[in-house]
Amino acid sequence: DAGVIQSPRHEVTEMGQEVTLRCKPISGHNSLFWYRQTMMRGLELLIYFNNNVPIDDSGMPEDRFSAKMPNASFSTLKIQPSEPRDSAVYFCASSSPKPQGGSYNEQFFGPGTRLTVL
Amino acid sequence: QQQVKQSPQSLIVQKGGISIINCAYENTAFDYFPWYQQFPGKGPALLIAIRPDVSEKKEGRFTISFNKSAKQFSLHIMDSQPGDSATYFCAARGGNTPLVFGKGTRLSVIA
Repeated sequence: DAGVIQSPRHEVTEMGQEVTLRCKPISGHNSLFWYRQTMMRGLELLIYFNNNVPIDDSGMPEDRFSAKMPNASFSTLKIQPSEPRDSAVYFCASSSPKPQGGSYNEQFFGPGTRLTVL
Repeated sequence: QQQVKQSPQSLIVQKGGISIINCAYENTAFDYFPWYQQFPGKGPALLIAIRPDVSEKKEGRFTISFNKSAKQFSLHIMDSQPGDSATYFCAARGGNTPLVFGKGTRLSVIA
């Protein structure tokens, strides 16, 4: 399995531009998570989906951020317009369903997208 | 409100020594406590995890100690090696909630 795939790996853009980050979860996983990592705030959960449905987007910092999951194999995180304070590494992660009475399944992270907004 | 508090922020350990990272939580509904390891330029990866029905779990040189009454858990790395140099995150979750992460500890193991 190729693991969680994210693209692009690096993105440099200018303030005010639209940025779209992409994620392909591991096949068969029904939960998808978007995180933002910075030195100051660590790993922050932005939004997560179960079975392609957004469950909790309370971590999305502002209306400039939006996320979609049109199908089980693809998700996007969009920032419009981007600002310098959005500069961070954005991770996508996925996991398979927790079996009834069983333990939680591992959450697998992608390699991340390093975003720099100038 | 930070649900999982992790310390220290950074740690320097001599090769062969013991690395200890601590975490504390407040939410008594948490019932799963994993540790993730992250190398530069990579995403975090699961290292070891524990459920609250046991007080210790060991996998090779890595051990989680869990104190349910104190709501604390820690990661011990025995015989630390330079290859263990990475950022370590504790996390917790319960019920249908997603993982909540600590802020991370940057470990440097020096020869």
